[in-house]
Amino acid sequence: DTGVSQDPRHKITKRGQNVTFRCDPISEHNRLYWYRQTLGQGPEFLTYFQNEAQLEKSRLLSDRFSAERPKGSFSTLEIQRTEQGDSAMYLCASSFLGGETEAFFGQGTRLTVV
Amino acid sequence: KQEVTQIPAALSVPEGENLVLNCSFTDSAIYNLQWFRQDPGKGLTSLLLIQSSQREQTSGRLNASLDKSSGRSTLYIAASQPGDSATYLCAVGADKLIFGTGTRLQVFP
Repeated sequence: DTGVSQDPRHKITKRGQNVTFRCDPISEHNRLYWYRQTLGQGPEFLTYFQNEAQLEKSRLLSDRFSAERPKGSFSTLEIQRTEQGDSAMYLCASSFLGGETEAFFGQGTRLTVV
Repeated sequence: KQEVTQIPAALSVPEGENLVLNCSFTDSAIYNLQWFRQDPGKGLTSLLLIQSSQREQTSGRLNASLDKSSGRSTLYIAASQPGDSATYLCAVGADKLIFGTGTRLQVFP
């Protein structure tokens, strides 16, 4: 297993366009998390799944954001009608069961909205 | 609401020095605390996980301690090297992690 994989690594899009990011977690991990990180800040929690169920969404996740994990394996994060304020690094992490277990992060997707 | 603070925000030291990075949190009812390293433009690499029942963890030149009663953790880096230059983040939580803003470390030869 090569760890958490995210695709694409970089995305430049025009304001108003839709974008979709993919995350492949570590295969035996049943929890998957999405975070957003802006320059000079720590990552901020967006949402997480246990298997295919989305268990929590942050207030940061506006109606333009949607995340899915249809078969409890990979996940997608879609942003509709992108705004310049959406420019950030989007990070995915996975863990086994959650609680007192270690979270492993992917390399992130850098989104630039122009 | 849990808040995590890291001090100092930036640190520049010569190679070979021993370092202490600090992390404080407001709610002591944490499940675990995790230290990460982040290189510029990259994702996070997990360094150490301290579970709530533990007081410290060690990995190579790194040692992290946890004092839940005072809401503090420290990351000790022994004999720093230029390759240690990165941003170090601490995070607390269970289902989701709450992060500090990090300490940007530069180790010069």
